[in-house]
Amino acid sequence: DAGVTQSPTHLIKTRGQHVTLRCSPISGHKSVSWYQQVLGQGPQFIFQYYEKEERGRGNFPDRFSARQFPNYSSELNVNALLLGDSALYLCASSLGQGGYSPLHFGNGTRLTVT
Amino acid sequence: EDQVTQSPEALRLQEGESSSLNCSYTVSGLRGLFWYRQDPGKGPEFLFTLYSAGEEKEKERLKATLTKKESFLHITAPKPEDSATYLCAVQAMSQAGTALIFGKGTTLSVSS
Repeated sequence: DAGVTQSPTHLIKTRGQHVTLRCSPISGHKSVSWYQQVLGQGPQFIFQYYEKEERGRGNFPDRFSARQFPNYSSELNVNALLLGDSALYLCASSLGQGGYSPLHFGNGTRLTVT
Repeated sequence: EDQVTQSPEALRLQEGESSSLNCSYTVSGLRGLFWYRQDPGKGPEFLFTLYSAGEEKEKERLKATLTKKESFLHITAPKPEDSATYLCAVQAMSQAGTALIFGKGTTLSVSS
């Protein structure tokens, strides 16, 4: 079975630009979450979507936004990129919207902002 | 404030040398504690979920345990392929949905 797939795998952008990252969840999973992982740190929660609605938002500025599509895939958008946005962006899917469902992660998109 | 602290930051073992990784947590209410393994350049791979104090889970050479304040990941007779970063995360009552709070991880290196 295919796991969580993310695209692109690597991306280089310039400060001030905009970026869109994409994620396809495991078949049958209706919840998608986004995490940011800076080198040497654990992942930090950005968003969770379930059935196309936002169910949770982490402590990130409004430059970060996301959406979920009817096929449960998702996009993460980041505007006005800063050097500090350089990180591994991870997408995770789960069966349910609430607790008790383990998250299954993709291999991430490595974003470098120069 | 909900937080997760993992120790040690790094651990070097010889093949066959058993040890434990620690995850201490402070949360308003625990819904679940998760262990993940992360290899370089990859996303975290789910290992275990623990829900209540006293619970234990095992998988091959790994065993996870949970108390009211911490969790341990015991590694018995490790092999070089067990080398990875092990991440601990909690799901707190204060967090919406499935949001996890991660520790910084313990990087394990096993040499033959």
